[in-house]
Amino acid sequence: DGGITQSPKYLFRKEGQNVTLSCEQNLNHDAMYWYRQDPGQGLRLIYYSQIVNDFQKGDIAEGYSVSREKKESFPLTVTSAQKNPTAFYLCASNRDPGGPQHFGDGTRLSIL
Amino acid sequence: QKEVEQNSGPLSVPEGAIASLNCTYSDRVSQSFFWYRQYSGKSPELIMSIYSNGDKEDGRFTAQLNKASQYVSLLIRDSQPSDSATYLCAVRGMDSSYKLIFGSGTRLLVRP
Repeated sequence: DGGITQSPKYLFRKEGQNVTLSCEQNLNHDAMYWYRQDPGQGLRLIYYSQIVNDFQKGDIAEGYSVSREKKESFPLTVTSAQKNPTAFYLCASNRDPGGPQHFGDGTRLSIL
Repeated sequence: QKEVEQNSGPLSVPEGAIASLNCTYSDRVSQSFFWYRQYSGKSPELIMSIYSNGDKEDGRFTAQLNKASQYVSLLIRDSQPSDSATYLCAVRGMDSSYKLIFGSGTRLLVRP
C-alpha cells in the first residue's frame, strides 16, 4: 500500500543532542513537508521541499534542518539549537500544488 | 489577525444532530480549502476538499465555501460519537508554493 512512513513513533532527546526524524513516502509525490504541532494548537510549517535537492524554510525553521537527496525521503533534524523541541512532528506530502496534503502517523519528541 | 480562524470549542451536539463547524480566512485570493479530522494523539486525516463556491457533499459531510465572505464550513449530518475529534481547516493561497495554512481546530463532542 502507498503511504507515508514516519519513524520512530516516539523519540527522546538529551540536552545538547541532535536527533533525526525519518519520513519516507512511496506515493511518488514531488512535494514534502514537515509540521510541528503543540498541544491544543494547529500545525506550524517547519520546512518544505517541492523537488529533490531543493527545500525552503517555513514559519518556524530555526533550530531545525532538512535534506532532500531522494524523492522518497525528507528527514528532519532537530538540533540542539531548538530549545523547546517537545512536540508532535508530522510529515506530509502531495502531488499537485493545489491539492490536499496527506500525513504520516507522526513522531512524538520529548526531552529527557 | 490570524490567517485562518476557527472557534476552538468544544462544540457539543447530541447523537443524530447536525454539527456545524466554521472557518474564516484572511487571504482574499485563497483558492484551495480542506477539512481534516484529527483524533486525539493521531495525525490529521483528510475529509473534504473544496475549490469553488457552493456546497460539496460526500456521505454525511458537506463542505460549504463562500469566497466573497471568506468563510468555509463543514456540516456533519447524523453525528455519531465516533465523529468526536478535532477538525482542522486548511487554506492554500495563490502563491507558487505548496504551503497550507492551518487553523487551530475546533473540538467536536458528540454526546450519545
